[in-house]
Amino acid sequence: EAGVVQSPRYKIIEKKQPVAFWCNPISGHNTLYWYLQNLGQGPELLIRYENEEAVDDSQLPKDRFSAERLKGVDSTLKIQPAELGDSAVYLCASSFSSRGSGANVLTFGAGSRLTVL
Amino acid sequence: GQSLEQPSEVTAVEGAIVQINCTYQTSGFYGLSWYQQHDGGAPTFLSYNALDGLEETGRFSSFLSRSDSYGYLLLQELQMKDSASYFCAVSPYNQGGKLIFGQGTELSVKP
Repeated sequence: EAGVVQSPRYKIIEKKQPVAFWCNPISGHNTLYWYLQNLGQGPELLIRYENEEAVDDSQLPKDRFSAERLKGVDSTLKIQPAELGDSAVYLCASSFSSRGSGANVLTFGAGSRLTVL
Repeated sequence: GQSLEQPSEVTAVEGAIVQINCTYQTSGFYGLSWYQQHDGGAPTFLSYNALDGLEETGRFSSFLSRSDSYGYLLLQELQMKDSASYFCAVSPYNQGGKLIFGQGTELSVKP
């Protein structure tokens, strides 16, 4: 079974440029997450989807970040315009979770490492 | 809100036993999870404790005490490949499948 696939693995851009990251979750997983991970830190949730609905986007900086999950499968995370402080690893994860259940195992992709110059 | 604290670094030798602690402040959660992340890799699930007590999975065990707001990951018979970062995470009540992670503990295993 293929894992969570992310692309690109690495991206270097200049500040003020746009960038987009793509994620293909595990087949059958209804929940998709985008996390941000700074060097030496734990992952921080940006947005969580249940199927195609964004159920938690409270940590997403909506002035420059946007995300979509069309048809409840693949997802795209966009930053426009990028700032120096956006340099980080953007992790996508997926899981199969049912409402009210706390036992939830996330499968992560390898991440997209963004460097903003 | 929720916050989790872990030591930033731990060093041990091959064959030894190491314990990585996680203390937390949270208003309520379903369980405590542990994830492993090698340098440049994806975090991978290790263990989950919904109830107090010890869960054992091969060389790895995890413990939870809700009354002490404390948990730990125990790694036995350490191998060089265990050198990685280890994260504890909680699943808060009424927030679906959301996971909140600690800052991580970098484990270095020496020969």
